[in-house]
Amino acid sequence: KQEVTQIPAALSVPEGENLVLNCSFTDSAIYNLQWFRQDPGKGLTSLLLIQSSQREQTSGRLNASLDKSSGRSTLYIAASQPGDSATYLCAVLSGGSYIPTFGRGTSLIVHP
Amino acid sequence: SAVISQKPSRDICQRGTSLTIQCQVDSQVTMMFWYRQQPGQSLTLIATANQGSEATYESGFVIDKFPISRPNLTFSTLTVSNMSPEDSSIYLCSVAAGSKTEAFFGQGTRLTVV
Repeated sequence: KQEVTQIPAALSVPEGENLVLNCSFTDSAIYNLQWFRQDPGKGLTSLLLIQSSQREQTSGRLNASLDKSSGRSTLYIAASQPGDSATYLCAVLSGGSYIPTFGRGTSLIVHP
Repeated sequence: SAVISQKPSRDICQRGTSLTIQCQVDSQVTMMFWYRQQPGQSLTLIATANQGSEATYESGFVIDKFPISRPNLTFSTLTVSNMSPEDSSIYLCSVAAGSKTEAFFGQGTRLTVV
């Protein structure tokens, strides 16, 4: 059974810092890995999708990497802003499944 | 990609009543998923809704409590029945779309039962 762990659970940083959020998974036979953002009381917004054959994806100030062999992904946020404050969730879709496994998320606060 | 419209966005309900949540997708999709997210927790899958067949419920969730309809390939509803304060959660609908099986979510329904 796939298990997804996100570290740290919470993070508070001053504006302008570069951040790294971590996601690890136990079964490397994955189809894809997806990073989401969730604002309080809201739904999930897809940030980046990495296919199993890819090493990284970039969108603006966000960069996500994938190392299947070690069961890890990182989300790098450059030059953080207060508007980046949210919970970031990692989800892994295992091969042969239609249902992703979610981590518990990292709650990020960027203060001015 | 897929755009999902979910409503209501939030509601406060009396215990013992029922609430129906609607999800409309801008494209045809085979499977729709309903999740519950309790305060401070990650997502828990309630059921998978396929058009033309009964929904498939996960362990701990039953049809009498969470009836689901899926009348066509773009629409689904989840009803939370006979509500108690323990049902206070965010409810989310989701689809997987595109060749890359990317997951998309609705805006969520924040339910408070008093």
